[in-house]
Amino acid sequence: GAGVSQSPRYKVAKRGQDVALRCDPISGHVSLFWYQQALGQGPEFLTYFQNEAQLDKSGLPSDRFFAERPEGSVSTLKIQRTQQEDSAVYLCASSASRGSDGYTFGSGTRLTVV
Amino acid sequence: QQQVKQSPQSLIVQKGGISIINCAYENTAFDYFPWYQQFPGKGPALLIAIRPDVSEKKEGRFTISFNKSAKQFSLHIMDSQPGDSATYFCAASRRAGGGADGLTFGKGTHLIIQP
Repeated sequence: GAGVSQSPRYKVAKRGQDVALRCDPISGHVSLFWYQQALGQGPEFLTYFQNEAQLDKSGLPSDRFFAERPEGSVSTLKIQRTQQEDSAVYLCASSASRGSDGYTFGSGTRLTVV
Repeated sequence: QQQVKQSPQSLIVQKGGISIINCAYENTAFDYFPWYQQFPGKGPALLIAIRPDVSEKKEGRFTISFNKSAKQFSLHIMDSQPGDSATYFCAASRRAGGGADGLTFGKGTHLIIQP
């Protein structure tokens, strides 16, 4: 596609529920990043994939957060047993290069945990 | 620990004026400094970026000034227009080695350009 596509755009989850957020990167892009953006804050790095390999997951806030990119294209961010503090916009970005420069963000998934 | 500090938090500029946003970083390993623009409901979009081997980069109305010794960089928007009203984020990362560190973002500046 022309850009990075994320779905759903909005998700309301009850506390304790599991959620899965999808990212369709730009076709052929090698690098894929997930970020978490709390209200009124800058995005914070969660994890990075180069093709199907998860090279950095140092930003994942707890073991309830899990990301995968099994075929080096579509990626899924899964949050188990959601908590209220997980409420945020989750942004996905992809890049044609093996670096963090010049990448394109999707519009994000706004997760609200009630 | 906030590795990239951004100021001001909000800024109001008259149409045609110059908007200036400042950032300071702590990690001397950072070697890539982009600025992103974000509109409500959208993801951040890359505006302009600089590497520490130059002190200034200009693209259209947008200029980055970089001071390596002071570990500071700034965004200047010349002839500011109402359409520039958005939230601006500075960021930094370490690109060396061919790998990819995630970007470290500032907290953002909410810019309003008054007609």
